[in-house]
This record gives sequence, C-alpha cells and structure tokens, in this order.
Amino acid sequence: QLQLQESGPGLVKPSETLSLSCTVSGASFNTGSHYWGWIRQPPGKGLEWIGSVYYTGDTYHNPSLKSRVSISVDTSRSQFSLKLSSVTAADTAVYYCGAYSSSSAYWGRGALVTVSS
Amino acid sequence: DIVMTQSPDSLAVSLGERATINCKSSQSVLHSSNNKNYLAWYQQKPGQSPKLLIYWASTRQSGVPDRFSGSGSGTDFTLTISSLQAEDVAVYYCQQYYSNPLTFGGGTKVEIK
Repeated sequence: QLQLQESGPGLVKPSETLSLSCTVSGASFNTGSHYWGWIRQPPGKGLEWIGSVYYTGDTYHNPSLKSRVSISVDTSRSQFSLKLSSVTAADTAVYYCGAYSSSSAYWGRGALVTVSS
Repeated sequence: DIVMTQSPDSLAVSLGERATINCKSSQSVLHSSNNKNYLAWYQQKPGQSPKLLIYWASTRQSGVPDRFSGSGSGTDFTLTISSLQAEDVAVYYCQQYYSNPLTFGGGTKVEIK
C-alpha cells in the first residue's frame, strides 16, 4: 500500500521560504504510475492544488502561486519536496503531499505550516 | 482555469435518507479521445486527509461502499449517498483533472439532521 509522510518546519517567518519533504513507501518514482504532488488547505477552508512532478522530471504548478513554487524529486531517498518562497500569512495551511493518477489518489496526513514572525 | 462550483454549501440529512451534492464545471471535462469525464469526488472527515471516493465521474474507488454513487457528464455532476450513515459526516469535494491547474469545488458539508 502506497504511503506518504510530510515533514518540515511547522513555523516559517514572513518573506522566507517554506520547505517540506514527502517520504514515499510502497511505490517507485520511476514507473510513471503516478504524479507526485502537493495540495494545501488553509484553516477552515477548501483545497488548493499547488503542483506536481512526474517521473520524467516535468513539473507543473498552479499559476496562482506565480513563480514561488518549486517541486523536485530525490529518487535515491524516495522523497519529493516542495519549496514555496516569499511566504505571507496567506500561505498558512495544512500541506498534503500525494500520489495521484486518473484512477487513484493517495494523500499524506498533512503538515500544518504557520507563517508568522 | 476550470472553475468548479458545488451546491449546496451544506446539508443536513436524516440517517438512512438520501443526500445529493451537485458540482458544475465552467467548461466540459469530458475528453473526446476516450469519452471519459475527468471528474473525481473526495470525502474529508475532520482532522483527516481527503479520501478519493469516485473517479471518472462514476467509478467507485475500491473499498468505497456502494451507497456512494456518482453521475453526470460534461459540465454537470452529482454525488449521491443513497442511505446516509453516521460515518458519512464529512465535507465532500469535487475535483476536475481534465487540465492543469487541477481545481476543486468549494466543498459541501454533510451533517446528520
């Protein structure tokens, strides 16, 4: 069974870079069976897709986040990562990493990241 | 971007009764190459991550009870819970995966009346 676990700082200062990692077990990055991605959910609000990476290295991100998003894969560590730069209080949210395809989706338990000085 | 609009925002249904949630996309999510609707439904219980219930608009994920069903095509979709159980209390989201950026509806909160 595919499992994912987010890790990273729970508190980030305004204007700094949010960095999260996702450790994957039960699946390989190199099969092309899934996109590896991130979504987020501000407290009490809905879901927003941040972006994803495919096994080819191609990345996709939500234009609403402009050029602040970077997603990368480290296959040797079975991890993929999210970096979101120049954060503000509006970036405070639970961040979920996940693996999805046209017919499946698995999401981690989520990591709350608070942006505050 | 494809905008997903859900209705209602919330609904309260008696145990054993039917719950119906609607989702409308701002453009068709039916792909002509395979005649499939790129529309999914998720369930999110308090404090948990979203759980995929239905994909291709009407195909239940393995293990999902058959009281959950999805229907619709093109731009209009429905999630139906045929007989509401206590464990179905949650927020339900539709999501299109026809094109990037993937987008979600605003969510529908289902409660027990």
